[in-house]
Amino acid sequence: TQLLEQSPQFLSIQEGENLTVYCNSSSVFSSLQWYRQEPGEGPVLLVTVVTGGEVKKLKRLTFQFGDARKDSSLHITAAQPGDTGLYLCAGGYNNNDMRFGAGTRLTVKP
Amino acid sequence: NAGVTQTPKFQVLKTGQSMTLQCAQDMNHEYMSWYRQDPGMGLRLIHYSVGAGITDQGEVPNGYNVSRSTTEDFPLRLLSAAPSQTSVYFCASSPGVEIAGGKETQYFGPGTRLLVL
Repeated sequence: TQLLEQSPQFLSIQEGENLTVYCNSSSVFSSLQWYRQEPGEGPVLLVTVVTGGEVKKLKRLTFQFGDARKDSSLHITAAQPGDTGLYLCAGGYNNNDMRFGAGTRLTVKP
Repeated sequence: NAGVTQTPKFQVLKTGQSMTLQCAQDMNHEYMSWYRQDPGMGLRLIHYSVGAGITDQGEVPNGYNVSRSTTEDFPLRLLSAAPSQTSVYFCASSPGVEIAGGKETQYFGPGTRLLVL
């Protein structure tokens, strides 16, 4: 079983729609990161959250870390085709270890 | 800066063969790591290093060896390849070693796609 469960696994929406993807665990993490990965490339960091309840915004993307630091969400407003990709969350497990979820594969159709 | 580079991009091996996946970074980063990515499993940490001469095991180390003789290079060795090692392998580096505390960013290479027959 995954330490971090991401949902949904797949999401296909039309351009302009809003969406939220989730990253959940029964474990507490020191930090949580969100990455986006495009085909044939490595993941690229979008944001890091470290404080329970923290909310960070990156243009149309809003990231929230749960109060108990066990879960996180990523909300995209007015999705665009350029948002298409695999979204991965990763939790800080100890000083030198990050544990990744399996990802949400997002497709935004024009 | 080239960032994190990995070679080869693709490799096909037969069961029992050995090979080395190369990883290099030119950012003078202390921390380097190897992950494998499998469908439905996300990225899993194989081995990591917090500096030259220091390595440690991650979540799935069996069947893999690493060494860190220089700051720049962190090769991953498959001793006797098995079909279960078919995967995409990513190398990553970070300026500092406390990556889980959120103080450091990991930079990933483009990956090596390995098929073991």
